Amino acid sequence: GNSVTQMEGPVTLSEEAFLTINCTYTATGYPSLFWYVQYPGEGLQLLLKATKADDKGSNKGFEATYRKETTSFHLEKGSVQVSDSAVYFCALSKEPTNSGYALNFGKGTSLLVTP
Amino acid sequence: GAVVSQHPSWVICKSGTSVKIECRSLDFQATTMFWYRQFPKQSLMLMATSNEGSKATYEQGVEKDKFLINHASLTLSTLTVTSAHPEDSSFYICSARLLGWVGVLQETQYFGPGTRLLVL
Repeated sequence: GNSVTQMEGPVTLSEEAFLTINCTYTATGYPSLFWYVQYPGEGLQLLLKATKADDKGSNKGFEATYRKETTSFHLEKGSVQVSDSAVYFCALSKEPTNSGYALNFGKGTSLLVTP
Repeated sequence: GAVVSQHPSWVICKSGTSVKIECRSLDFQATTMFWYRQFPKQSLMLMATSNEGSKATYEQGVEKDKFLINHASLTLSTLTVTSAHPEDSSFYICSARLLGWVGVLQETQYFGPGTRLLVL
């Protein structure tokens, strides 16, 4: 079945540092790929997504490119801020059913950005 | 953007009691909602798929008699943890599926803020 593996945290960076959180996947078919963010005390929010190979999702300065050749969807940001401190989850769509698709999540990577 | 709410946000109950958690899509209709469970420092695990007007589909290993799901309307799904025990303590999260047309049919899941359950 479809699954995703992301780098374990916690990741601690200084403000304005470059961020990369690695995510690789295994899948049959052509899943969609997602990054979700969970701020302290809040629910998951969709950060960005890509629905086919070579698509680049971007939002709030974050980017990730759907790489079929390396089965990866790494999250990057050029200059992190303290407000980016959160837990980031990589996810992909499970096999579709008549109800659409649920999501398989990675274990999450905790990011702490210090001033 | 689309909003999904959950109620209650946290609950403490005694072992053996039942707890009902509500998931509502506030500004859109959702024929499908999903229920996930998240253990501390772990990922979200899908428990079941809830379809309006029909029985829920449970993932392997999830007891359907223990986790009762009712999707009575297009904006409400409920999860009832029956005869709760301490091992059921967890963070329960729902998501609602929104279908939209942007040149192609696109579906997006919107997540509720979660319900933290503690069974004593």
